[in-house]
Amino acid sequence: KAGVTQTPRYLIKTRGQQVTLSCSPISGHRSVSWYQQTPGQGLQFLFEYFSETQRNKGNFPGRFSGRQFSNSRSEMNVSTLELGDSALYLCASSLEPDRTTEAFFGQGTRLTVV
Amino acid sequence: GEDVEQSLFLSVREGDSSVINCTYTDSSSTYLYWYKQEPGAGLQLLTYIFSNMDMKQDQRLTVLLNKKDKHLSLRIADTQTGDSAIYFCAESLAASGTYKYIFGTGTRLKVLA
Repeated sequence: KAGVTQTPRYLIKTRGQQVTLSCSPISGHRSVSWYQQTPGQGLQFLFEYFSETQRNKGNFPGRFSGRQFSNSRSEMNVSTLELGDSALYLCASSLEPDRTTEAFFGQGTRLTVV
Repeated sequence: GEDVEQSLFLSVREGDSSVINCTYTDSSSTYLYWYKQEPGAGLQLLTYIFSNMDMKQDQRLTVLLNKKDKHLSLRIADTQTGDSAIYFCAESLAASGTYKYIFGTGTRLKVLA
């Protein structure tokens, strides 16, 4: 069974550009969550999607958005990139948005904004 | 407020026990988790504990929860070099009909041979 796949693995963008990251969950998983990991702030929750609906959102500006497709694949978009957006973006999938269900993480997309 | 704190580094000798500590601020959290992140990899759920439990043991891992002090610890017995990784403590909080997760900054465990 394939794990959570995030593409691309690495990305370099310039300030002001926008970026779209993709996450393919494990087959059969319907819940996808996104996290931003930085050395200074640690791991912070961005948003969670289930059945194509955003169920929860962390404290990030509106430049960060996401969506989920009918096949449970999810994308997140960051517009008007800032240097501080440089981070590892992790996606996690689980069968249901249940706290006791194991969430499987992808390897992440490392975004560098220059 | 919502905050989870961990010490940044821990170094132990192979074969010794490791204890990674975590404190959290929100008393409404009902589940607390430990995740492991190896270099270049995503996070792997090691174990979780429900807030009405004091202890949970799973092979080499022992989780202790002191709800009064809002303190969580992960003990790894007979630590091996393969245990070298970053360990994240996390809590789940109810929010708008679902749950959100607050992670600590991670503790980098280095196991010396």
